[in-house]
Amino acid sequence: GAVVSQHPSRVICKSGTSVKIECRSLDFQATTMFWYRQFPKQSLMLMATSNEGSKATYEQGVEKDKFLINHASLTLSTLTVTSAHPEDSSFYICSAKGERDQPQHFGDGTRLSIL
Amino acid sequence: AQKITQTQPGMFVQEKEAVTLDCTYDTSDPSYGLFWYKQPSSGEMIFLIYQGSYDQQNATEGRYSLNFQKARKSANLVISASQLGDSAMYFCAMREAYNTDKLIFGTGTRLQVFP
Repeated sequence: GAVVSQHPSRVICKSGTSVKIECRSLDFQATTMFWYRQFPKQSLMLMATSNEGSKATYEQGVEKDKFLINHASLTLSTLTVTSAHPEDSSFYICSAKGERDQPQHFGDGTRLSIL
Repeated sequence: AQKITQTQPGMFVQEKEAVTLDCTYDTSDPSYGLFWYKQPSSGEMIFLIYQGSYDQQNATEGRYSLNFQKARKSANLVISASQLGDSAMYFCAMREAYNTDKLIFGTGTRLQVFP
């Protein structure tokens, strides 16, 4: 149980393109989903917390107009990187959490490369 | 402020031997949770083990055990009978108690298991 699917796994696109990444909890209802960014050989940096039906809470320094998050249902959250530029190239990974004492379960991540 | 520290950037262990990965934390909250995740080179984050601050016994999950020393604020991961497939990055994380279940991650330890 507790499977989280993230799609796509890899994206290569031109500068200025908007990219949407989906995160789905397949076998549980995720009350909260999280979006992280990870630079090479570094730890995970939390970008935002997403609750179903409400606006995402962004961490300090994360541009909410640049990284649009939508949590339309208890099983789906999306991250859209708008007008992506080479500096947005990174590994983006989502996680989903159900009940209070359950751990966050992670998707497989999306490797984004902006040319 | 909450903080997680992993002082070992890299560790080596021979196959079938046990290895301990260090993690110390700092928090003023009496209620918190500690997690260990494994990240293989493919990128996904795999949940390994959880320890609650009020748990009386050390958590165990198969070959993984958590050496929880509350007074020292340490939560070391012990992997017994190491396997080649255990080679990966290992992250310690702490859940902040009184907010949206955010996790704070340490910088990680790269474990390499050799034959």
